[in-house]
Amino acid sequence: QVQLVESGGGVVQPGTSLRLSCAASGFMFSSHVMHWVRQAPGKGLEWVAVIAHDGDNKYYADSVKGRFTISRDSSRKTLYLQMNSLRAEDTAVYYCARGRNYYDDSGPDYWGQGTLVTVS
Amino acid sequence: QSVLTQPPSASGTPGQRVTISCSGSSSNIGSHSAYWYQHLPGTAPKLLIFGNNQRPSGVPDRFFGAKSGTSASLAINGLRSEDEAVYYCGAWDASLSGWVFGGGTKLTVL
Repeated sequence: QVQLVESGGGVVQPGTSLRLSCAASGFMFSSHVMHWVRQAPGKGLEWVAVIAHDGDNKYYADSVKGRFTISRDSSRKTLYLQMNSLRAEDTAVYYCARGRNYYDDSGPDYWGQGTLVTVS
Repeated sequence: QSVLTQPPSASGTPGQRVTISCSGSSSNIGSHSAYWYQHLPGTAPKLLIFGNNQRPSGVPDRFFGAKSGTSASLAINGLRSEDEAVYYCGAWDASLSGWVFGGGTKLTVL
C-alpha cells in the first residue's frame, strides 16, 4: 500500500534553514508528481510546491518562492523540501502528498501524516 | 483570502443531504479538474473526489462531486456523525502555475 513518511521537522529560529524528507513506498515513485502542502495552526491547507515525476519542472507558492526548494531522489524514493530564511509564518504541519499521476497539474491523492515545523 | 471560495461552515442532521460549494475562476476550476478532501484533526487529509466527480476506490457513494462552469460542489447524502470534518476543494491554477485550495468548510453533524 502507498506509504509516505515525513521527517525532519523541529523547532528552529527565524532566518535559519531546515530540510524535510519524505520516504515513499508502495508505488512507482518515478511515475508520480509529488507535492508539499502545509497547515499552519488554526488555519486551512496551503499548497507549498510540486515537482514533476522526472524532477524537471518545479512550481512554488508565492509565499515560499525563492526561499524553499523541492527536490526528489528516485533512487532513494525520497522527496525533499529545503527551507531557507525561515519565518514565523512558516510554522505549520508539513505534509508530503503523492500526485495522482505524472501530469504536472495532477492533485494530491495519498498524504503522509505530516511533520511539524516551528519557527520561533 | 483563498483563490477558491468555500463557505466556512455547514451543518446537517443525520440522514440529511448537505452540499458544500467551491467558487473559482476560469484559470482553475473553469479549466481544470476539481478535487475534494476530508480532513479530520490530527490525521492526513483524505481524497474524496478527483476529476470533478470521480470517487477513489473505498470512498462511499454517499459522496458526490459536481462541476458547473467555474464552480464545483460536494454533496454528502445520508449524513453520518463520522462525516463531521473539514472539507477542502482544490484545483490547479494555470495563471498561478500552482495548486490552490479553498479555505475549508467545517461540517457539523447536529
